[in-house]
Order: sequence, then C-alpha cells, then structure tokens
Amino acid sequence: AQTVTQSQPEMSVQEAETVTLSCTYDTSESDYYLFWYKQPPSRQMILVIRQEAYKQQNATENRFSVNFQKAAKSFSLKISDSQLGDAAMYFCAYRTSGTYKYIFGTGTRLKVLA
Amino acid sequence: EAQVTQNPRYLITVTGKKLTVTCSQNMNHEYMSWYRQDPGLGLRQIYYSMNVEVTDKGDVPEGYKVSRKEKRNFPLILESPSPNQTSLYFCASSLSAGEGTYEQYFGPGTRLTVT
Repeated sequence: AQTVTQSQPEMSVQEAETVTLSCTYDTSESDYYLFWYKQPPSRQMILVIRQEAYKQQNATENRFSVNFQKAAKSFSLKISDSQLGDAAMYFCAYRTSGTYKYIFGTGTRLKVLA
Repeated sequence: EAQVTQNPRYLITVTGKKLTVTCSQNMNHEYMSWYRQDPGLGLRQIYYSMNVEVTDKGDVPEGYKVSRKEKRNFPLILESPSPNQTSLYFCASSLSAGEGTYEQYFGPGTRLTVT
C-alpha cells in the first residue's frame, strides 16, 4: 500500500525568506501524480502545485517549486519570498495513475513571522 | 461561479441519529470524493465516485454510505453516527481522475460533532 509521510509537523519562516517542506512517499508504482495542497485558517483546500512522475522537470508555480527525486521518493515544496498569506497547513498528496484513490500526508503547519 | 457546495457547514448530533451531508458541484465533473480530516491524521478518503452509479471505497469507509444518482450530487450518509465520526468532512470533485493531474476542487467543509 502506498504511504505519504510529512515528518515536519510545524515549521516557521521569516517573511521574505525561503522555506522547504518535506514529503516522502512509498510506492511500487512507476506512474503516479503528486500534489501539494494549502489549507489556510479558512479551511479551504487549495491546490498549490502538481507533478507527474514521468516528468523529470520539477514543477514551478510562481514562488512555489518542487524538488522531485523519484529514486529517493521525495517531493519537497520550496516557497520563496515567503509572505504572511503563506501561513497555512500544507498537505502532500499522492495518486497512482489510473486509480481514483488519493493518499494524503499528515500535514505541515507553516508559520510566517513578520 | 464554479464551485462545490456542502450542507450543512456545521452539525451537532447525537449517537445513532441518521444524518446526510449533501455535496453538489456545478462543473459537470465526473469524479467526486469524500474525505475526513482529523488532527494528526491528515485527510483520509472515505468513498469516491467515478461517475453516476459508480462508487468505490476509500481507506476509511466503515460507518458511511454514499450514492451517486445524479452527476452533480454525491451525498454522504451516516446511518448510525458514533462519536468517533466527529470530524471535519470535505467533498471534492474533478473533471476526471484516471489519468492526468486534474485538479480536485474542494467544498468548504462540514464540521460534524457526534455526542
């Protein structure tokens, strides 16, 4: 069975600095998708970034980028130029291609310090 | 406005009293899913549906039922709620889920308390 692990329950970053959130996963599949979701205090789930496993190029969305290491089964999220609005819970998620099951990690709470 | 709606947003009930949480999407999405979120456990998938009349279990289906009679609606039914079903529930939908990184759109969440 697939698993997703986020080993950092909480992290802090100074405003305008860069922070990296870790995510590792375990799977025997070769084709899958990975996602990072943001959950601000409003509780709304917002997709931050997504990555197809067959793509070697790391995904980037404005200030958000990932470091996807397929062999190491690692999918970390880098937030550059952190802003107060980035403060939220961040969830890493996995889905095997061709299936409809999503596996989420336990989340990392990010605090942004002014 | 494209959205996923859930009702009610908050619900306090007693053990054993049947309840339904409704979920509706206006994006003509094929795929819909229910999750529960608990502190320290992240989101766990309860049930999902690939299309009308097609549903399947997620990781934590015990104590829940679903149905998909119309494409836009995917209600979650708790026939005999118990305190361990106290949680934050999310409904989500996406255009498809089999292939591709289609984005899941989430509803606003339903906070359920079972006493």
